[in-house]
Amino acid sequence: SQTIHQWPATLVQPVGSPLSLECTVEGTSNPNLYWYRQAAGRGLQLLFYSVGIGQISSEVPQNLSASRPQDRQFILSSKKLLLSDSGFYLCAWRPGRGNTEAFFGQGTRLTVV
Amino acid sequence: GQQVMQIPQYQHVQEGEDFTTYCNSSTTLSNIQWYKQRPGGHPVFLIQLVKSGEVKKQKRLTFQFGEAKKNSSLHITATQTTDVGTYFCAVNSRLTFGEGTQLTVNP
Repeated sequence: SQTIHQWPATLVQPVGSPLSLECTVEGTSNPNLYWYRQAAGRGLQLLFYSVGIGQISSEVPQNLSASRPQDRQFILSSKKLLLSDSGFYLCAWRPGRGNTEAFFGQGTRLTVV
Repeated sequence: GQQVMQIPQYQHVQEGEDFTTYCNSSTTLSNIQWYKQRPGGHPVFLIQLVKSGEVKKQKRLTFQFGEAKKNSSLHITATQTTDVGTYFCAVNSRLTFGEGTQLTVNP
């Protein structure tokens, strides 16, 4: 069966520090991968999505970047965090073909202080 | 990109009352998905609608897709405290989400 792993669950980082959040999927190949950010009590803002290795689409220009070094690995990064980067970050995957259901990781709650 | 407007943003009901959330798009949708996110949790897929005028039911939940495939609704009959959470619609290959409707249920 397919599983998605996202870590860490919580993270407190100082302003100006770098960030690396990792998401991996098991039990499937060539998934579509997504990174979202959710502010408290708000909706899911799509940050990046990827349909294949090295293929990243950015939805919102900002302080973050994403990479997909392997088929089932999706990394969200920042060189210098801002206070406004705080939020709940969610990784999701779904099969590469067709608009089927998406499966989400447990999320990372990031607080920038 | 394709976007959807979701209303209301918040809904507070007494247990046993009904609840409805709506998603509206300015363009025709190929399909629409609905997700539920419990407080502190991650979104979980509920259902996908594809056909014009489609209606699907899951126990007390009824999902509808408009005839023009530009709007959709989720209706919960006789809410329970377990229905608490935020309900989202999502569209297109980028999996764009609406802002969600946050449901609270007073026991």
